[in-house]
Amino acid sequence: GENVEQHPSTLSVQEGDSAVIKCTYSDSASNYFPWYKQELGKRPQLIIDIRSNVGEKKDQRIAVTLNKTAKHFSLHITETQPEDSAVYFCAASISANAGKSTFGDGTTLTVKP
Amino acid sequence: GAGVSQSPSNKVTEKGKDVELRCDPISGHTALYWYRQRLGQGLEFLIYFQGNSAPDKSGLPSDRFSAERTGESVSTLTIQRTQQEDSAVYLCASRPDRANFAGELFFGEGSRLTVL
Repeated sequence: GENVEQHPSTLSVQEGDSAVIKCTYSDSASNYFPWYKQELGKRPQLIIDIRSNVGEKKDQRIAVTLNKTAKHFSLHITETQPEDSAVYFCAASISANAGKSTFGDGTTLTVKP
Repeated sequence: GAGVSQSPSNKVTEKGKDVELRCDPISGHTALYWYRQRLGQGLEFLIYFQGNSAPDKSGLPSDRFSAERTGESVSTLTIQRTQQEDSAVYLCASRPDRANFAGELFFGEGSRLTVL
């Protein structure tokens, strides 16, 4: 089955700096890669996703890049703000609309004001 | 409209007891997932329901765990003879119909289970 590894497990940055979180996956059949943000005590919520037919996607201060050949994808947050502090999870699945999503173990991001 | 609803929000039980956790998905969402999140850990897949198809039970950790779903509505996750290692937050998520290519999972607030 699919295995998703996520690094780093913790990340601390100064407000305004960039943050990068990386994930690798094992199943070359995976085609859908979402990122979820989980604030303390809250439910995970989708922040951005990417499908295998594109290499990069941006939404304001966040972007995701995908390298299907190397089987890795990354989340980039620019101009970080204290409210970006949370746990971020990457995931991989065969399809966006079918099958299970396998999640990474999460990255705890702390943005220091 | 209402989001994914889970109950109970908190459950404390004694080792060896059975527990039932309930999930009400968003109306019209055909896919439903259960995940387990231990303290400070990632989301561990347990089971996936898609419409009337046979569920994907590949993540259930032992035969003490089972789940049911009635049609495209409520799901119940049952843990029999609970053990201390079952202590975790159990998250339910739902997703719209297969014809909708958006892949977002909508999570509930979770049921926090503590086994003493």
